[in-house]
Amino acid sequence: IVMTQSPATLSVSPGERANLSCRASQSVSGNLAWYQQKPGQVPRLLIYDAFTRATGIPARFGGSASGTEFILTISSLQSEDFAVYYCQQYNNWPLTFGGGTKVEIK
Amino acid sequence: QVHLQESGPRLVKPSETLSLTCTVSGGSLSNYYWTWIRQPPGGGLEWIGYIYYTVSTNYNPSLKSRVTIAADTSKNQFSLKLTSVTAADTGVYYCARSSGSRRWFDPWGQGTLVTVSS
Repeated sequence: IVMTQSPATLSVSPGERANLSCRASQSVSGNLAWYQQKPGQVPRLLIYDAFTRATGIPARFGGSASGTEFILTISSLQSEDFAVYYCQQYNNWPLTFGGGTKVEIK
Repeated sequence: QVHLQESGPRLVKPSETLSLTCTVSGGSLSNYYWTWIRQPPGGGLEWIGYIYYTVSTNYNPSLKSRVTIAADTSKNQFSLKLTSVTAADTGVYYCARSSGSRRWFDPWGQGTLVTVSS
Protein backbone atom coordinates (compact mmCIF):
# COMPACT_ATOMS: atom_id res chain seq x y z
CA ILE A 1 0.00 0.00 0.00
CA VAL A 2 1.41 3.38 -1.03
CA MET A 3 0.94 6.21 1.43
CA THR A 4 1.05 9.68 -0.12
CA GLN A 5 1.49 12.69 2.12
CA SER A 6 0.77 16.25 1.11
CA PRO A 7 1.96 18.85 1.00
CA ALA A 8 5.64 17.99 1.14
CA THR A 9 6.27 21.24 3.00
CA LEU A 10 3.78 23.35 4.93
CA SER A 11 4.70 26.88 6.02
CA VAL A 12 2.70 27.97 9.04
CA SER A 13 2.91 30.82 11.54
CA PRO A 14 2.98 30.00 15.27
CA GLY A 15 -0.54 29.89 16.66
CA GLU A 16 -2.08 28.94 13.32
CA ARG A 17 -3.80 25.68 12.47
CA ALA A 18 -2.13 23.05 10.29
CA ASN A 19 -3.80 20.23 8.38
CA LEU A 20 -1.55 17.47 7.04
CA SER A 21 -2.92 14.92 4.60
CA CYS A 22 -2.07 11.25 4.16
CA ARG A 23 -3.81 9.25 1.44
CA ALA A 24 -3.66 5.48 1.11
CA SER A 25 -3.66 3.75 -2.29
CA GLN A 26 -6.31 1.33 -0.97
CA SER A 27 -8.34 0.90 2.17
CA VAL A 28 -6.39 0.59 5.40
CA SER A 29 -9.52 0.75 7.56
CA GLY A 30 -8.53 2.82 10.61
CA ASN A 31 -5.14 1.22 10.92
CA LEU A 32 -3.08 4.36 10.66
CA ALA A 33 -0.53 6.04 12.89
CA TRP A 34 1.16 9.44 12.85
CA TYR A 35 4.70 10.21 14.01
CA GLN A 36 6.62 13.41 14.60
CA GLN A 37 10.34 13.60 13.93
CA LYS A 38 12.51 16.57 14.83
CA PRO A 39 15.99 16.96 13.29
CA GLY A 40 18.43 14.44 14.71
CA GLN A 41 15.74 12.83 16.85
CA VAL A 42 13.82 9.58 16.92
CA PRO A 43 10.29 9.44 15.47
CA ARG A 44 7.71 9.92 18.20
CA LEU A 45 4.30 8.27 18.10
CA LEU A 46 1.52 10.88 18.10
CA ILE A 47 -1.66 9.13 16.97
CA TYR A 48 -2.71 5.50 16.45
CA ASP A 49 -5.90 3.91 15.16
CA ALA A 50 -6.32 7.10 13.11
CA PHE A 51 -7.79 9.11 16.00
CA THR A 52 -6.30 8.07 19.34
CA ARG A 53 -3.60 10.24 20.87
CA ALA A 54 -0.65 8.36 22.32
CA THR A 55 0.25 8.79 25.97
CA GLY A 56 1.46 12.28 26.78
CA ILE A 57 0.54 13.84 23.43
CA PRO A 58 -1.07 17.28 23.79
CA ALA A 59 -4.71 17.74 22.87
CA ARG A 60 -3.81 20.18 20.08
CA PHE A 61 -2.89 17.11 17.97
CA GLY A 62 -5.91 15.41 16.42
CA GLY A 63 -6.54 12.77 13.79
CA SER A 64 -9.46 12.35 11.41
CA ALA A 65 -10.32 10.20 8.42
CA SER A 66 -12.54 10.09 5.37
CA GLY A 67 -12.28 6.96 3.26
CA THR A 68 -8.65 6.51 2.36
CA GLU A 69 -7.63 10.04 3.36
CA PHE A 70 -6.35 10.74 6.83
CA ILE A 71 -5.74 14.16 8.31
CA LEU A 72 -3.46 15.18 11.15
CA THR A 73 -4.55 18.52 12.58
CA ILE A 74 -2.42 20.66 14.84
CA SER A 75 -4.88 23.19 16.17
CA SER A 76 -2.48 25.94 17.26
CA LEU A 77 1.14 25.45 16.29
CA GLN A 78 3.69 25.83 19.03
CA SER A 79 7.40 26.37 18.41
CA GLU A 80 8.16 22.77 19.37
CA ASP A 81 5.77 21.45 16.70
CA PHE A 82 7.93 22.44 13.74
CA ALA A 83 9.12 19.06 12.53
CA VAL A 84 8.54 16.35 9.92
CA TYR A 85 5.40 14.26 10.26
CA TYR A 86 4.98 10.74 8.90
CA CYS A 87 1.93 8.55 8.55
CA GLN A 88 2.14 4.75 8.68
CA GLN A 89 -0.42 2.12 7.72
CA TYR A 90 -0.55 -1.18 9.54
CA ASN A 91 -3.49 -2.79 7.82
CA ASN A 92 -1.48 -4.75 5.26
CA TRP A 93 1.99 -6.19 4.84
CA PRO A 94 4.46 -4.76 4.25
CA LEU A 95 3.91 -1.96 6.72
CA THR A 96 4.49 1.31 4.91
CA PHE A 97 5.12 4.95 5.71
CA GLY A 98 4.28 8.10 3.84
CA GLY A 99 7.08 10.28 2.54
CA GLY A 100 6.56 12.90 5.23
CA THR A 101 5.37 16.49 5.53
CA LYS A 102 7.76 19.09 6.83
CA VAL A 103 6.06 21.78 8.90
CA GLU A 104 8.20 24.89 8.86
CA ILE A 105 7.92 28.35 10.34
CA LYS A 106 6.36 30.89 8.00
CA GLN B 1 9.64 1.47 31.07
CA VAL B 2 11.04 -0.38 28.09
CA HIS B 3 14.23 0.98 26.57
CA LEU B 4 15.84 -0.10 23.29
CA GLN B 5 19.44 0.47 22.25
CA GLU B 6 21.05 -0.36 18.93
CA SER B 7 24.69 -1.37 18.63
CA GLY B 8 27.02 -2.56 15.90
CA PRO B 9 29.57 -1.43 13.33
CA ARG B 10 29.00 2.04 11.90
CA LEU B 11 30.96 1.40 8.72
CA VAL B 12 30.42 -1.54 6.39
CA LYS B 13 32.13 -2.23 3.09
CA PRO B 14 30.09 -2.75 -0.08
CA SER B 15 29.09 -6.40 -0.70
CA GLU B 16 29.60 -7.25 2.98
CA THR B 17 27.03 -7.92 5.71
CA LEU B 18 25.55 -5.27 7.96
CA SER B 19 24.99 -6.62 11.49
CA LEU B 20 23.19 -4.77 14.26
CA THR B 21 21.90 -5.74 17.69
CA CYS B 22 19.09 -4.18 19.70
CA THR B 23 19.24 -4.62 23.46
CA VAL B 24 15.93 -4.44 25.28
CA SER B 25 15.87 -3.33 28.90
CA GLY B 26 12.94 -2.91 31.26
CA GLY B 27 10.92 -5.73 29.73
CA SER B 28 11.17 -9.14 28.10
CA LEU B 29 10.98 -10.12 24.45
CA SER B 30 7.87 -12.22 24.94
CA ASN B 31 4.46 -11.18 23.59
CA TYR B 32 5.76 -8.36 21.41
CA TYR B 33 6.89 -7.81 17.84
CA TRP B 34 10.45 -6.52 17.59
CA THR B 35 11.10 -4.50 14.49
CA TRP B 36 13.84 -2.91 12.43
CA ILE B 37 13.19 0.31 10.51
CA ARG B 38 15.66 2.36 8.50
CA GLN B 39 15.93 5.90 7.20
CA PRO B 40 18.36 7.03 4.49
CA PRO B 41 20.03 10.41 4.96
CA GLY B 42 17.41 13.09 4.40
CA GLY B 43 14.83 10.46 3.50
CA GLY B 44 11.77 8.74 4.80
CA LEU B 45 11.16 5.63 6.88
CA GLU B 46 11.23 2.05 5.61
CA TRP B 47 10.02 -0.96 7.56
CA ILE B 48 12.58 -3.78 7.28
CA GLY B 49 10.90 -6.55 9.22
CA TYR B 50 10.06 -8.02 12.60
CA ILE B 51 10.54 -11.02 14.81
CA TYR B 52 7.80 -12.15 17.16
CA TYR B 53 9.47 -13.44 20.31
CA THR B 54 11.60 -16.19 18.75
CA VAL B 55 8.71 -17.76 16.91
CA SER B 56 8.16 -16.04 13.61
CA THR B 57 9.53 -13.40 11.29
CA ASN B 58 8.12 -11.20 8.56
CA TYR B 59 10.21 -9.18 6.15
CA ASN B 60 9.64 -6.39 3.68
CA PRO B 61 9.56 -8.09 0.24
CA SER B 62 11.91 -5.40 -1.08
CA LEU B 63 14.64 -6.67 1.27
CA LYS B 64 13.53 -10.21 2.02
CA SER B 65 16.27 -11.97 0.06
CA ARG B 66 18.97 -10.19 2.07
CA VAL B 67 17.50 -9.87 5.58
CA THR B 68 17.58 -12.07 8.65
CA ILE B 69 16.17 -11.02 12.02
CA ALA B 70 16.85 -13.24 15.02
CA ALA B 71 16.33 -13.07 18.78
CA ASP B 72 18.40 -14.16 21.77
CA THR B 73 16.11 -14.36 24.79
CA SER B 74 18.99 -15.14 27.16
CA LYS B 75 20.45 -11.71 26.41
CA ASN B 76 17.12 -9.95 25.78
CA GLN B 77 18.39 -8.93 22.38
CA PHE B 78 17.32 -9.17 18.78
CA SER B 79 19.49 -8.69 15.73
CA LEU B 80 19.49 -7.66 12.10
CA LYS B 81 21.69 -9.01 9.33
CA LEU B 82 21.56 -7.46 5.89
CA THR B 83 23.77 -9.10 3.28
CA SER B 84 25.39 -7.80 0.10
CA VAL B 85 25.07 -4.16 1.10
CA THR B 86 25.51 -1.23 -1.25
CA ALA B 87 25.62 2.53 -0.74
CA ALA B 88 21.82 2.53 -0.95
CA ASP B 89 21.76 0.74 2.40
CA THR B 90 23.40 3.70 4.13
CA GLY B 91 21.17 5.25 6.74
CA VAL B 92 19.98 5.36 10.31
CA TYR B 93 18.75 1.98 11.54
CA TYR B 94 16.18 1.95 14.33
CA CYS B 95 14.84 -0.87 16.41
CA ALA B 96 11.31 -0.54 17.75
CA ARG B 97 8.48 -2.47 19.39
CA SER B 98 4.93 -3.18 18.36
CA SER B 99 2.33 -5.62 19.61
CA GLY B 100 -0.15 -7.96 17.98
CA SER B 101 -2.63 -6.12 15.81
CA ARG B 102 -1.41 -2.86 17.29
CA ARG B 103 1.32 -2.57 14.68
CA TRP B 104 2.42 0.95 15.31
CA PHE B 105 5.88 1.51 16.73
CA ASP B 106 6.50 2.61 20.28
CA PRO B 107 9.04 2.85 21.76
CA TRP B 108 11.98 3.27 19.39
CA GLY B 109 15.69 2.98 19.96
CA GLN B 110 17.90 6.00 19.47
CA GLY B 111 19.00 4.77 16.06
CA THR B 112 22.46 4.13 14.69
CA LEU B 113 23.91 5.55 11.49
CA VAL B 114 25.45 2.88 9.30
CA THR B 115 27.53 3.97 6.34
CA VAL B 116 28.32 1.64 3.46
CA SER B 117 31.61 2.68 1.95
CA SER B 118 34.95 1.21 0.98
